[in-house]
Amino acid sequence: DADVTQTPRNRITKTGKRIMLECSQTKGHDRMYWYRQDPGLGLRLIYYSFDVKDINKGEISDGYSVSRQAQAKFSLSLESAIPNQTALYFCATSDLNRRYGYTFGSGTRLTVV
Amino acid sequence: GENVEQHPSTLSVQEGDSAVIKCTYSDSASNYFPWYKQELGKGPQLIIDIRSNVGEKKDQRIAVTLNKTAKHFSLHITETQPEDSAVYFCAAKDDDMRFGAGTRLTVKP
Repeated sequence: DADVTQTPRNRITKTGKRIMLECSQTKGHDRMYWYRQDPGLGLRLIYYSFDVKDINKGEISDGYSVSRQAQAKFSLSLESAIPNQTALYFCATSDLNRRYGYTFGSGTRLTVV
Repeated sequence: GENVEQHPSTLSVQEGDSAVIKCTYSDSASNYFPWYKQELGKGPQLIIDIRSNVGEKKDQRIAVTLNKTAKHFSLHITETQPEDSAVYFCAAKDDDMRFGAGTRLTVKP
């Protein structure tokens, strides 16, 4: 089983719909992150969480919200999806000291039509 | 905040040749510099990293060098193989991890 699992892998949704992307991990890491990947722009941080009660905005949080339901689960929501949120979304985890860098999930490809 | 620039955006080499990808960063407080490899349909995977108290690190065919004075670091892949074809990302971290835009490496057999 993958250390960091994202669901769904692919999703097509309509403008204005609410959608949730889910992430679960078996690494036992305390820190979890949501990134968005667009061609030519690399990975940009949407939200991050250092523990269940700690949620922080990243550089591109507008239009997104998150929930840390447990140490192992971190979900990303688009309350009202718009076409420019079409992208590849990655969840990542790290330990307290980020000693070994980040562990990424396989990604969710989201298309908003 | 940190700004990371990565060059080139695409790189094509012949199998067996070396490949070099370069990154510059802006925040002199950054102290951790990982490199990730992303294969098609997969998430980025850490392949090598270097901390600010080290100038060079090597792991088999890959090596990373860091010049803190100039604020740049590079990934070197020697004896490239077709399976090295992927997108490579550099990153720099102080409080936050910032990623470069990526380099698409193609190794031609």
